[in-house]
Amino acid sequence: SQKIEQNSEALNIQEGKTATLTCNYTNYSPAYLQWYRQDPGRGPVFLLLIRENEKEKRKERLKVTFDTTLKQSLFHITASQPADSATYLCALDKEKGGKLIFGQGTELSVKP
Amino acid sequence: NAGVTQTPKFRVLKTGQSMTLLCAQDMNHEYMYWYRQDPGMGLRLIHYSVGEGTTAKGEVPDGYNVSRLKKQNFLLGLESAAPSQTSVYFCASSYSTMNTEAFFGQGTRLTVV
Repeated sequence: SQKIEQNSEALNIQEGKTATLTCNYTNYSPAYLQWYRQDPGRGPVFLLLIRENEKEKRKERLKVTFDTTLKQSLFHITASQPADSATYLCALDKEKGGKLIFGQGTELSVKP
Repeated sequence: NAGVTQTPKFRVLKTGQSMTLLCAQDMNHEYMYWYRQDPGMGLRLIHYSVGEGTTAKGEVPDGYNVSRLKKQNFLLGLESAAPSQTSVYFCASSYSTMNTEAFFGQGTRLTVV
């Protein structure tokens, strides 16, 4: 069956360290992959999009990689801050034209 | 600019009652989506629409119906609510699904007793 999987366990790191979150998918060939941030009681907010022909994308302290051979995306937050604490979701277009599907999300906690 | 607005924010229903959740977007987006979010399950796609007058089933469509009579509105209906439909519902919209971000509403917390 088709699946999107993210680290199910919460990730706890120290302020200033790099957080790395993983998104794996099976039986898809997505044209792109997106990452979102969700705070408690709020809707997800878009962070980054990476296309299938791109290996890496950066935005300020954020970096996303996309390996279509491994069927995996890594999301990095460098110099992490307590304000980065949230749940991070990956998403992809299941059928290249309509179904935007999400992983279950990984909760990140950055301690001062 | 309001973005994506969901109505209502909270609702309690009795088993068997019906209701409609309204989603409105003011960004002239073609694509609209309804998701439900449950603890440990992430966002699951219920139904989606790729344009005015069109709808399609997502991953968990049973027990729900949708309509997209106007481009800016996407309605989610529960004909006969069940406790298993207790969840937080999110609406989202995007210009397309190719290389564009989705914008989400603030969510509707629905409890079915």
